[in-house]
Amino acid sequence: GESVGLHLPTLSVQEGDNSIINCAYSNSASDYFIWYKQESGKGPQFIIDIRSNMDKRQGQRVTVLLNKTVKHLSLQIAATQPGDSAVYFCAENRGGTALIFGKGTTLSVSS
Amino acid sequence: EAQVTQNPRYLITVTGKKLTVTCSQNMNHEYMSWYRQDPGLGLRQIYYSMNVEVTDKGDVPEGYKVSRKEKRNFPLILESPSPNQTSLYFCASSLGVTNEQFFGPGTRLTVL
Repeated sequence: GESVGLHLPTLSVQEGDNSIINCAYSNSASDYFIWYKQESGKGPQFIIDIRSNMDKRQGQRVTVLLNKTVKHLSLQIAATQPGDSAVYFCAENRGGTALIFGKGTTLSVSS
Repeated sequence: EAQVTQNPRYLITVTGKKLTVTCSQNMNHEYMSWYRQDPGLGLRQIYYSMNVEVTDKGDVPEGYKVSRKEKRNFPLILESPSPNQTSLYFCASSLGVTNEQFFGPGTRLTVL
């Protein structure tokens, strides 16, 4: 069954605001997590990943936070832009051979 | 240019007519995978391959077959397509399962 989920299917923000997209996972054995962005009509595109030995990782305008205690993952996007409008997926690897994807959160950015 | 290509991009077919969706990557990746994407269900893995001649089932393998005879190619075969296989299909590749997966552009399949 589905064990990677997102708290909200949709998120609407104003341009310039910071966005936070959340993801919960249930398997404490998961050791690798990854965020993807999917724009309309395109395949998913890698944003950032994090391994279980880390709590935080930063990229350009994005930060991923991992809280293993409560099995929670979040993606923070700073100064959200209209081009950030997309569906965002989290995925986990449980130390095995497959990535399990969540159902996705649709981020809408209005200017 | 590093990329994953899929063909065809769009396909409309009828129930029971065998079809193959090709996938090719030029990054010398060992890991390749097929996903289907359906509204409200996200991405679900169909099959994956850790290397040449090594394939295994994902979460939703029923009705599909794959092969990995060469490192760069990972075709998805539907021996007898049914309407419930109407979906958007993505192929992906990566160095390993815990590395960034590169996705193809997708194949939209409709089975009538």
